Amino acid sequence: EAQVTQNPRYLITVTGKKLTVTCSQNMNHEYMSWYRQDPGLGLRQIYYSMNVEVTDKGDVPEGYKVSRKEKRNFPLILESPSPNQTSLYFCASSLSRRSNEQFFGPGTRLTVL
Amino acid sequence: GQQVMQIPQYQHVQEGEDFTTYCNSSTTLSNIQWYKQRPGGHPVFLIQLVKSGEVKKQKRLTFQFGEAKKNSSLHITATQTTDVGTYFCAGPGEYGNKLVFGAGTILRVKS
Repeated sequence: EAQVTQNPRYLITVTGKKLTVTCSQNMNHEYMSWYRQDPGLGLRQIYYSMNVEVTDKGDVPEGYKVSRKEKRNFPLILESPSPNQTSLYFCASSLSRRSNEQFFGPGTRLTVL
Repeated sequence: GQQVMQIPQYQHVQEGEDFTTYCNSSTTLSNIQWYKQRPGGHPVFLIQLVKSGEVKKQKRLTFQFGEAKKNSSLHITATQTTDVGTYFCAGPGEYGNKLVFGAGTILRVKS
């Protein structure tokens, strides 16, 4: 089944404790991205990747890192989480940036205390 | 930077009533996409519009792209409880590498 998976689905952590949210897609998509969703703000892009080893900042990249060592995986890293990073995070992929139809993962709800 | 604005933020309708959400971009868009997110779910792609003035229909849903390619609308005829959710529009950012989403319209349907 074609899908985007994320882990964990829920995470409660404390300020400053490094964490990684994994994202994997099995559709051989080139383009992957991370979004955060906050009430009233919609989906804001954190980082995106147009292919292996090619990543770039989205609109809200501060406090996040990503890597794209393999085509299928695009982990999101929070080196020192802070409470303002409490949010619902979505990973998404698409065939290419021009095809544009984004396939979203199920989401990761992160709470930073 | 580019902004995509969506109104209204919320809409409560009686089942059977029509519903419309509007999307406006601060810049001309090469295309616009619409997504639906059910409560507790993830966004799901509905449609992409590319041409100026384009109108597309999916059953009770009608999507329109403005002549100037800066605005779009989604109209649902005779809403049903299954239409409940948040509807987002999204357009490509500068250079086409990013995707910029509107804040979404939350639709509630009273049966």
